[in-house]
Amino acid sequence: NAGVTQTPKFQVLKTGQSMTLQCAQDMNHEYMSWYRQDPGMGLRLIHYSVGAGITDQGEVPNGYNVSRSTTEDFPLRLLSAAPSQTSVYFCASRTAGSGANVLTFGAGSRLTVL
Amino acid sequence: QQQVKQSPQSLIVQKGGIPIINCAYENTAFDYFPWYQQFPGKGPALLIAIRPDVSEKKEGRFTISFNKSAKQFSLHIMDSQPGDSATYFCAARLGSARQLTFGSGTQLTVLP
Repeated sequence: NAGVTQTPKFQVLKTGQSMTLQCAQDMNHEYMSWYRQDPGMGLRLIHYSVGAGITDQGEVPNGYNVSRSTTEDFPLRLLSAAPSQTSVYFCASRTAGSGANVLTFGAGSRLTVL
Repeated sequence: QQQVKQSPQSLIVQKGGIPIINCAYENTAFDYFPWYQQFPGKGPALLIAIRPDVSEKKEGRFTISFNKSAKQFSLHIMDSQPGDSATYFCAARLGSARQLTFGSGTQLTVLP
């Protein structure tokens, strides 16, 4: 059981480039989300989805795009990378049922924008 | 706007010591307060959690103390070990939306 898988683990971009961070889960979780982690800022919610075809904005959505075409996958797209988007990104998922309190995180993707 | 304030930012204790990490919140609609533990290079993982109708919860060496009137909660680690060295995040959940708001994190180092 792999849990939440994120790729790539590391990425370096130049300002203005675009890229997609991949997230896949094999636990049949309805809820998926993306957080960014910055020193002294904790974990801040970027976007989330409560099921296939449904997405919504979190606390810091600007500059990011998401889609949820399947239950398993929730990619995060950076449309035009900026140095302020240098961060560690975490994908997380949970069920909507009795285990709804437990958020399972991936191992993270470290992004550097030059 | 930081809805959950966590302190200290970093903490160093000797093996066997009892580190205490504190969190404070403003929104009385929060209904669930988890703590997450994160080791270097890994994602956070749920450690322990409490609901506001309980004043204390223990799981092994980890204890949450909850003060509803003061809108504060804290994590205590009894008999701390070097393997407890990690970053700890408190969080609070707004019931209706089930979104978690995280504190800023505390980097704990337990010296051997």
